[in-house]
Amino acid sequence: SQQGEEDPQALSIQEGENATMNCSYKTSINNLQWYRQNSGRGLVHLILIRSNEREKHSGRLRVTLDTSKKSSSLLITASRAADTASYFCATDADDYKLSFGAGTTVTVRA
Amino acid sequence: DTGVSQNPRHKITKRGQNVTFRCDPISEHNRLYWYRQTLGQGPEFLTYFQNEAQLEKSRLLSDRFSAERPKGSFSTLEIQRTEQGDSAMYLCASSLGLDRGREGYTFGSGTRLTVV
Repeated sequence: SQQGEEDPQALSIQEGENATMNCSYKTSINNLQWYRQNSGRGLVHLILIRSNEREKHSGRLRVTLDTSKKSSSLLITASRAADTASYFCATDADDYKLSFGAGTTVTVRA
Repeated sequence: DTGVSQNPRHKITKRGQNVTFRCDPISEHNRLYWYRQTLGQGPEFLTYFQNEAQLEKSRLLSDRFSAERPKGSFSTLEIQRTEQGDSAMYLCASSLGLDRGREGYTFGSGTRLTVV
């Protein structure tokens, strides 16, 4: 079963704009991870945030985690055409199994 | 070692045939995972190995599915008597454990199975 749920399902933005997507989940977690998937390819790990962390940055990525609301957000700043992809949040509750949402499809227009 | 390698990239098979996929993980990673992804959905967990031991299997993994990881290195996923509902992308991933500083999983590019 899919624990994470991303919102929105799809997002279209102009190059240079910021993109924000949200993830909600249902059960307690050890950590939450975000992955990117280009069409028809494997997933690329972007960032991991632990349950005792509230915010984390990596390059143009900013992730927040609110365990009281069981939600996370991913912000991509100054988007580029190469950021066009599907983005998935994945919760890690058991230390061996990720539960993914259905993803947010991001299209960056030139 | 450039990452997780999966073969073949694509497989088209007739319903009822058996298929086998191979995954070569990152050599230092003691954990290996198989996921299945259908169109428009996120990956779903199938099974997990720590070294050569298969420690967890999803209920999605019917008795037609079997996975092995001999000697804790590469892994194979076999599907017997394939059905059209088995058509999906099969993803392999590897990682260290959290206790060894795991930051994320490294996924392969997947094997796309089409059952006709």
